[in-house]
Amino acid sequence: EIVLTQSPGTLSLSPGERATLSCRASQSVSSSYLAWYQQKPGQALRLLIYGASSRATGIPDRFSGSGSGTDFTLTISRLEPEDFAVYYCQQYGSSPLTFGGGTKVEIK
Amino acid sequence: QVQLVQSGSELKKPGASVKVSCKASGYTFTSYAMNWVRQAPGHGLELMGWINTNTGHPTYAQGFTGRFVFSLDTSVNTAYLQISSLKAEDTAVYYCASFVEMATIRTPYWGQGTLVTVSS
Repeated sequence: EIVLTQSPGTLSLSPGERATLSCRASQSVSSSYLAWYQQKPGQALRLLIYGASSRATGIPDRFSGSGSGTDFTLTISRLEPEDFAVYYCQQYGSSPLTFGGGTKVEIK
Repeated sequence: QVQLVQSGSELKKPGASVKVSCKASGYTFTSYAMNWVRQAPGHGLELMGWINTNTGHPTYAQGFTGRFVFSLDTSVNTAYLQISSLKAEDTAVYYCASFVEMATIRTPYWGQGTLVTVSS
């Protein structure tokens, strides 16, 4: 199965700063079927990005995804207060689905 | 539009059983597998397995055999997760998810999650 490694584990930033989150796969992700999710405490997962770079419906354009093969990045161009949360990557190009361990974006 | 709607929160005693439902709409239910994912409190996301919605054949991930059963009712486009002999460590949010091809790209769709609490 494909192992996804997210880094860093925690990112401490201030509102207005740029956040860059990494997701590295142990083997190539088929068809760039890589998704990013946001999760706040006590809330359900929120899909941000699918297909590595397509924004889900209603997601602000400050969120962008890039990458292919084994290296993927989620960028938040300017952090808003509501963006402080945990972010997960997931690959769905190969069975079984696998998830990264998450990156927590916290207020510095 | 594609929607996966799950049943509501459950509070169960140890040893009891629970059945979580996931009703799909907006796409051909039998064309895409239904996956089940567990998130224990304070933990990440864990794939429990999936069910082939065309054949009904389930596949269980390691650690989810024996007490966990995936099933379907294709007449109402609904997938089910049943957990028997509940333990405290089964306390978690359970999600269903399907990856549906929309405009040539497979798009993830998730249910809202069902919290199952096991407590005496």
